[in-house]
Amino acid sequence: NAGVTQTPKFRVLKTGQSMTLLCAQDMNHEYMYWYRQDPGMGLRLIHYSVGEGTTAKGEVPDGYNVSRLKKQNFLLGLESAAPSQTSVYFCASSYSRTNTGELFFGEGSRLTVL
Amino acid sequence: AQSVSQHNHHVILSEAASLELGCNYSYGGTVNLFWYVQYPGQHLQLLLKYFSGDPLVKGIKGFEAELIKSKFSFNLRKPSVQWSDTAEYFCAVNTGNQFYFGTGTSLTVIP
Repeated sequence: NAGVTQTPKFRVLKTGQSMTLLCAQDMNHEYMYWYRQDPGMGLRLIHYSVGEGTTAKGEVPDGYNVSRLKKQNFLLGLESAAPSQTSVYFCASSYSRTNTGELFFGEGSRLTVL
Repeated sequence: AQSVSQHNHHVILSEAASLELGCNYSYGGTVNLFWYVQYPGQHLQLLLKYFSGDPLVKGIKGFEAELIKSKFSFNLRKPSVQWSDTAEYFCAVNTGNQFYFGTGTSLTVIP
C-alpha cells in the first residue's frame, strides 16, 4: 500500500517553463489537495478536488492549474513558472470531510524556479 | 476566512522538559481539529485529532491536546519530551471542504 505518491520529488525550472506535478493515491479517497509549504508561512492550499472531474480554488491558486480526470490522480500544472513558485509542494488526500477527515500526505516535491 | 494561529514559532527545550504548544482558531461552528508533525526531511504525519466527545484527546508518542471551546484553543502537550521529538508541529482545522493550517512551530529538543 503506497498511500500518496508524488512525482517528481525534485525539479529545477527556468522562469517561463512549464511543468506538471503528479499525485497518485491508492486509498480510494474522494478528496485530494495540493498545498505549498514556505518558511514561516505553513501550508497554504492551492487547489483541491472533492471528486473525479471536479476541482476548486484554494487560498493561493494564481499561476497554477489542476485536473482530476481519474479518481486516483490529481495533477498540478505550472504554465509559466516564476521564481515566486519556488517551494515545496505537498499533495494530500482524505476519504471525505465528514468521515475521518484525516489528511494523508505525500512526501513532497521540491521545486526551484531560477 | 477561517484562520489558525500558532504563537510559538520556535521552541527549544531540554530532554525531559514539558511541552505545550499553543493553537487558536477562528471559527464559531463545528470544527474538526488536528495536530500534524513533520520530522526533518519528511512529510506531515498525523499526531492526533478531535472530532467530537471528550475534549482531551490522546495521540501517538505520548502527545495529547485539549480543546477549550470557550477560548477557541487546541493546545498540544507532552509531559516529557525526547530528542526524537525535534520536528515542526502544525495545528489544523477542518471546517468543511478545506483544511486550514497554522504557520507551524519548530521544536528543538536538546539532549
